[in-house]
Amino acid sequence: NAGVTQTPKFRILKIGQSMTLQCAQDMNHNYMYWYRQDPGMGLKLIYYSVGAGITDKGEVPNGYNVSRSTTEDFPLRLELAAPSQTSVYFCASRQLAGPGDEQFFGPGTRLTVL
Amino acid sequence: AQKVTQAQTEISVVEKEDVTLDCVYETRDTTYYLFWYKQPPSGELVFLIRRNSFDEQNEISGRYSWNFQKSTSSFNFTITASQVVDSAVYFCALIRAGAGSYQLTFGKGTKLSVIP
Repeated sequence: NAGVTQTPKFRILKIGQSMTLQCAQDMNHNYMYWYRQDPGMGLKLIYYSVGAGITDKGEVPNGYNVSRSTTEDFPLRLELAAPSQTSVYFCASRQLAGPGDEQFFGPGTRLTVL
Repeated sequence: AQKVTQAQTEISVVEKEDVTLDCVYETRDTTYYLFWYKQPPSGELVFLIRRNSFDEQNEISGRYSWNFQKSTSSFNFTITASQVVDSAVYFCALIRAGAGSYQLTFGKGTKLSVIP
């Protein structure tokens, strides 16, 4: 049971480039999330999904897109990278049972946009 | 809107000292959950505890204890006899029970440095 996995661990992009951050979970969780963590700040929600085919915006969605074609995978797409997107990105998942259930986090992807 | 405030940005203590990390939250909901996460220097997020709004019992787990007081909207975290391995950033977070996303609203974190 690998839990939540994220690839890549590190990436440097040039302004205007595109990339996809991969996230997968093997716990059959319905809910999946993408957060970003800026230096000295807590995590902020970018997008979330309550199940395959269903996604919705979080607090800071601009500049990102997501899709959820399977229960396991929840990729995050950056179309035109900007320096403001330099951050650490965390993917998380949780079961459907209730709000008190723990969110399981991936190890993070550190992205730098130059 | 809900908000979590961790007023202490950084704390340094000498090993074996006790330390308390403060967390104050704001929410209009009557049902909610509070969490603490630890982020060690390696960067991953480690779940420590959750508490629902109807359970104000304090909790102790080894050297860790949590004090939840609805009257002051606080959920403070105490480490007793701190160790170097406790050095990390600690986040307090909140979930609204009625929200469809069940997203976590995080505080900005408190960086704890335990000096040997």
